[in-house]
Amino acid sequence: EDKVVQSPLSLVVHEGDTVTLNCSYEVTNFRSLLWYKQEKKAPTFLFMLTSSGIEKKSGRLSSILDKKELFSILNITATQTGDSAIYLCAVEAVDSNYQLIWGAGTKLIIKP
Amino acid sequence: NAGVTQTPKFRVLKTGQSMTLLCAQDMNHEYMYWYRQDPGMGLRLIHYSVGEGTTAKGEVPDGYNVSRLKKQNFLLGLESAAPSQTSVYFCASSYSSTTSYEQYFGPGTRLTVT
Repeated sequence: EDKVVQSPLSLVVHEGDTVTLNCSYEVTNFRSLLWYKQEKKAPTFLFMLTSSGIEKKSGRLSSILDKKELFSILNITATQTGDSAIYLCAVEAVDSNYQLIWGAGTKLIIKP
Repeated sequence: NAGVTQTPKFRVLKTGQSMTLLCAQDMNHEYMYWYRQDPGMGLRLIHYSVGEGTTAKGEVPDGYNVSRLKKQNFLLGLESAAPSQTSVYFCASSYSSTTSYEQYFGPGTRLTVT
């Protein structure tokens, strides 16, 4: 059975800290892995990763995929209170009719 | 562009009542999805549509029905609501593509069934 597992489930850090969120997956015929940020309402797209070893970067956020070990990490440096959110990881498989398999999310709380 | 919109934003139903949630997108996306989100369980796909007039079951379709009569709209129906359907419901849409893609989400509908 295809599955996506995120860790930790929750994390509390202080402003300015660096955090690493993990996403591991077991999916037949992997196509892509996506990261989303969910604040109070709808998830918003962060990154899409399809190839191993190529870092995607946006400001203080970066992500990388390891297709051999079947995981991805999302790094946030110099965290700010506005980074507090649930971070969701999802994986798409080939021939899945574009359905995504979602992890349960990591709830990140940044304390001032 | 409004993106993806959902109505209503909140609803309280009694067990056995029915209701329809409306999702609309103005991005000309082919694909549309209905998810439910429960604490600690991430997003679970209820039904999806790959184009006007077509629908398919997702991971948790029981107790729900959908229709896609127009490309821009995707309706989710609960025929006889149960307390287990208390959840936050999200609609999403995406382009159809043979390469990887992203989904755009609506703001959600918080449904409570008593």
